[in-house]
Amino acid sequence: DAKTTQPNSMESNEEEPVHLPCNHSTISGTDYIHWYRQLPSQGPEYVIHGLTSNVNNRMASLAIAEDRKSSTLILHRATLRDAAVYYCILRDDFGNEKLTFGTGTRLTIIP
Amino acid sequence: NAGVTQTPKFRVLKTGQSMTLLCAQDMNHEYMYWYRQDPGMGLRLIHYSVGEGTTAKGEVPDGYNVSRLKKQNFLLGLESAAPSQTSVYFCASSYLPWGNNGQFFGPGTRLTVL
Repeated sequence: DAKTTQPNSMESNEEEPVHLPCNHSTISGTDYIHWYRQLPSQGPEYVIHGLTSNVNNRMASLAIAEDRKSSTLILHRATLRDAAVYYCILRDDFGNEKLTFGTGTRLTIIP
Repeated sequence: NAGVTQTPKFRVLKTGQSMTLLCAQDMNHEYMYWYRQDPGMGLRLIHYSVGEGTTAKGEVPDGYNVSRLKKQNFLLGLESAAPSQTSVYFCASSYLPWGNNGQFFGPGTRLTVL
């Protein structure tokens, strides 16, 4: 399985944009890039996913490098409720159910 | 919709005891999953199901069994609990494998094996 690398932790000020990086240099052509987040004492929550093009939804934006070896999750205006562990996951949509969440990036929001 | 619910929320077992964790979803999802999360680590897939009556092994299946007799329920069994199975267990479901809205997760079951 292709592997992702994320910083262990990041801090950001409230109401400022946050850019969470993810490296996936061994990504294959059929791997989708998924982002989940896990708030304290809760189950993970889907954030966004993409294949090649940048994606936007009500929660965040996903910027994917042209060579697809890295991506960035963008929270446009962080709030205290965005404090969580963010996981970048590669998912092959051609029948492979197995995946690895990794340890993610713990995002701390400073009031 | 309740989404994904898990029963129980907390449980303490002694080594060698057995128990069953119940996961229920009311979204008519085909796919269901059981994960475990150990302190400071990401989630690891234990078993999953691609539809009623089917099950398959994930990354860490040893010591666990599962059943999917009804589409809405996915049971995780521990026949003889061991301290190494102390963990938080999450159930998830999805309409498609991952799908456009990803997997929906339950609140978790915190299990301690003494």
